[in-house]
Amino acid sequence: DVKVTQSSRYLVKRTGEKVFLECVQDMDHENMFWYRQDPGLGLRLIYFSYDVKMKEKGDIPEGYSVSREKKERFSLILESASTNQTSMYLCASSSGTSGIFEQYFGPGTRLTVT
Amino acid sequence: GNSVTQMEGPVTLSEEAFLTINCTYTATGYPSLFWYVQYPGEGLQLLLKATKADDKGSNKGFEATYRKETTSFHLEKGSVQVSDSAVYFCALRSGDYKLSFGAGTTVTVRA
Repeated sequence: DVKVTQSSRYLVKRTGEKVFLECVQDMDHENMFWYRQDPGLGLRLIYFSYDVKMKEKGDIPEGYSVSREKKERFSLILESASTNQTSMYLCASSSGTSGIFEQYFGPGTRLTVT
Repeated sequence: GNSVTQMEGPVTLSEEAFLTINCTYTATGYPSLFWYVQYPGEGLQLLLKATKADDKGSNKGFEATYRKETTSFHLEKGSVQVSDSAVYFCALRSGDYKLSFGAGTTVTVRA
């Protein structure tokens, strides 16, 4: 069974803290993604990676960075957390660039910044 | 760029009612189209998909047809159950790697 796991389901951090969100997939997928989900806005892409050590900015990269040192792991980093980064963060993975292009999602991390 | 617009919710229905969620898209060419579903407390999962015009995707009693002439991909189910309560997202392929998602429609089915 395909699986994308995220390190935490719920996280509470203080303003200014450095925050790491971890995502691991066991499907040997080339592509990995970080989204944030907010009511009324749907999913917005923060960053994605199509290969180890490769990354591309999505639609809302400001205030975030990412790291992909191994194929199965993709980390999202909030360098200095702010209250407007309180959100649900979803990680996803997919295979290749052709075909149906289905993305597989993790359960999400609900981050609260106080 | 490519984008998706789906009907706003929330939608509340009784069991066995007919469900339609409208989705229209703006895109260059004919991208693959998707419906994803998010059940309470879970991540998104693919519900159905269509890769070319006039294709019909179907799964778990849900259907959607890729309509090029109206640039639409409406989701339908003839008889909903309480277990269909979820948030539904329309999406389209937006480049080599990316999907663009709609805002999501929350559906609640009452017994």
